[in-house]
Amino acid sequence: AQSVSQHNHHVILSEAASLELGCNYSYGGTVNLFWYVQYPGQHLQLLLKYFSGDPLVKGIKGFEAEFIKSKFSFNLRKPSVQWSDTAEYFCAVKQALSQGNLIFGKGTKLSVKP
Amino acid sequence: GAGVSQSPSNKVTEKGKDVELRCDPISGHTALYWYRQSLGQGLEFLIYFQGNSAPDKSGLPSDRFSAERTGGSVSTLTIQRTQQEDSAVYLCASSLDSLPADTQYFGPGTRLTVL
Repeated sequence: AQSVSQHNHHVILSEAASLELGCNYSYGGTVNLFWYVQYPGQHLQLLLKYFSGDPLVKGIKGFEAEFIKSKFSFNLRKPSVQWSDTAEYFCAVKQALSQGNLIFGKGTKLSVKP
Repeated sequence: GAGVSQSPSNKVTEKGKDVELRCDPISGHTALYWYRQSLGQGLEFLIYFQGNSAPDKSGLPSDRFSAERTGGSVSTLTIQRTQQEDSAVYLCASSLDSLPADTQYFGPGTRLTVL
């Protein structure tokens, strides 16, 4: 069965620090990949997604992610975090030729200290 | 425009009671998904609808769980004889279609507490 692993449960950074959140998936075929964010008290929102083309994907609020097929990874990055980036981040995968649900990782909670 | 809405936002019930959770998807979205988010866990898929049909019910944890969708719009998730382990946030999402690259838009969730 497919699975998604997010290596860090809780990351604490100071403002202006660089961020990288790890995501690995276990499916060997073609996939579509997503990062969602859940700010405190708000619902899940899409940050960015990859489905084809350039493996470096840019999303909202200065986030980007790189799809490395050989490593089955889709890590999320931001060069300089802000206090407002405090949230929980979820990586998700979907088989490229399938309909239906996303497979989510367990999430990484990011706390940014002002 | 209006996003996905869910009701109620919070539900507290006693063990053994039945509950109904409602989801209103974004207008025009043909695909609708139910997920469950338990404390410390990621999102667990329950069921999805394409139109009024449910091609994949594989995530429903037991036969106490059922869902329906009528008119290609509103969906109801029903949990019968609730148990304490059913306590979770139940999330609904919709997408324009169920194609692989379609973005799923999530509602605010219903927090269910079973006492």
